[in-house]
Amino acid sequence: AQKVTQAQTEISVVEKEDVTLDCVYETRDTTYYLFWYKQPPSGELVFLIRRNSFDEQNEISGRYSWNFQKSTSSFNFTITASQVVDSAVYFCALSRNNAGNMLTFGGGTRLMVKP
Amino acid sequence: DTAVSQTPKYLVTQMGNDKSIKCEQNLGHDTMYWYKQDSKKFLKIMFSYNNKELIINETVPNRFSPKSPDKAHLNLHINSLELGDSAVYFCASSRLASGGYNEQFFGPGTRLTVL
Repeated sequence: AQKVTQAQTEISVVEKEDVTLDCVYETRDTTYYLFWYKQPPSGELVFLIRRNSFDEQNEISGRYSWNFQKSTSSFNFTITASQVVDSAVYFCALSRNNAGNMLTFGGGTRLMVKP
Repeated sequence: DTAVSQTPKYLVTQMGNDKSIKCEQNLGHDTMYWYKQDSKKFLKIMFSYNNKELIINETVPNRFSPKSPDKAHLNLHINSLELGDSAVYFCASSRLASGGYNEQFFGPGTRLTVL
């Protein structure tokens, strides 16, 4: 069975601080896909990034960066110089290489960025 | 144009009633999904469906049934509503590649309240 764990339930930072959201996953598959989604207070789910299990390159997109390490089964997300607009619940998710593309989500991390 | 839309946005009903939530996507995707988000923000897959295959999460009661009149629509029917069905229901869609590679795009959610 697959499992995604986001141990940090809530994180509170002051604007301009850097913050890292942790994600640890469990799967027996050798091929799988990892995702991060953002859920702002308005409630919609916004896709942020996808990573394949065979691609361990880290990725940077503006103030966002992702660190994928298969050796520790982790896919962590860092926001640099956080802003109030980053306040949201962030979900890490895992998809198998079959089984209809269904996503297994972590419990989410609520990030609060204070001015 | 809204990519994935759901109606209604809010649904309040009595226990025992039957209700439906509609979902439409205009992205040309061939796979659609339903997810349930409970009061603690935990997201769980309910169904994955394309024109060839319906995959049901084994934890979903058979009171819930997806119905797809065409590739752009996947409606969720719920019979004999119970208090525990109160949640936010998200529809999503994606292109079906080999495996779970493609990101899913989510609708705005339908908040169901069962009294």
